[in-house]
Amino acid sequence: GNSVTQMEGPVTLSEEAFLTINCTYTATGYPSLFWYVQYPGEGLQLLLKATKADDKGSNKGFEATYRKETTSFHLEKGSVQVSDSAVYFCALSGMNTGFQKLVFGTGTRLLVSP
Amino acid sequence: ETGVTQSPTHLIKTRGQQVTLRCSSQSGHNTVSWYQQALGQGPQFIFQYYREEENGRGNFPPRFSGLQFPNYSSELNVNALELDDSALYLCASSSPTSGSLYEQFFGPGTRLTVL
Repeated sequence: GNSVTQMEGPVTLSEEAFLTINCTYTATGYPSLFWYVQYPGEGLQLLLKATKADDKGSNKGFEATYRKETTSFHLEKGSVQVSDSAVYFCALSGMNTGFQKLVFGTGTRLLVSP
Repeated sequence: ETGVTQSPTHLIKTRGQQVTLRCSSQSGHNTVSWYQQALGQGPQFIFQYYREEENGRGNFPPRFSGLQFPNYSSELNVNALELDDSALYLCASSSPTSGSLYEQFFGPGTRLTVL
C-alpha cells in the first residue's frame, strides 16, 4: 500500500539557518504530494503541494520538488524563523476506488531558537 | 468564509463508554473525512462521507461509525471505547471535482482521552 517516510525529529535550528526535512514515499500510480504544518494546539494547515513529477510547490519561503526518480518530496527553507516552530507532515494522496484519502508520515518537529 | 469547526474541544471518557464527535464543514464543501492522530504519530484515515453516504473507509473496526447530514456536517461515533482510542480526532472538509485533486481543509480537532 501507499506509505510516507519522514526523517525523525526534533530538528533544532537557530534562527536564519537552512532547513531540510526529508520525505520519501511509496505509492502505486501517480500520487499528489503535500506538506502540512501543525502549530501547537491547532489542526493541520496545508503548506504546499505538487501534483506531478518535477512540480515545485512553494509557500511562505518553503519549497519542495516532486522527484519521481527518487520518490522524494523534501521540504526546504533558506532562512527559518522562530515562528516556523511546529510539526511538519509529509503526505500523499491518490484515488482509491472513487474516493481520495491522505496518507501521512509520522511528522517532524522543528524547533527554532532565537 | 467560515472554516471547519469541531466540538467538543476536549473530552474524557472511560473504557466501554460511547462517544460522539461533531464537525461542521466549510461552506460549500460536501465531503467530510475523519482522521485519528495518536500522540506523536501522523493522522490515520478513518472514513469519508460524500453527500450523506460513506464512500471510503480505512483500517478501523466497525465500532467506529459516522453520519453526514443534509447540511454536510458530520458526526463520528465510537462505541465500546478502548484505551488506545485516546487521540486527537481531526475532521477535514473538501469539495471534490470528479477525477481531480482537491484540498482538504482541517478543523482544530477534538482531543479524546479514555481512562
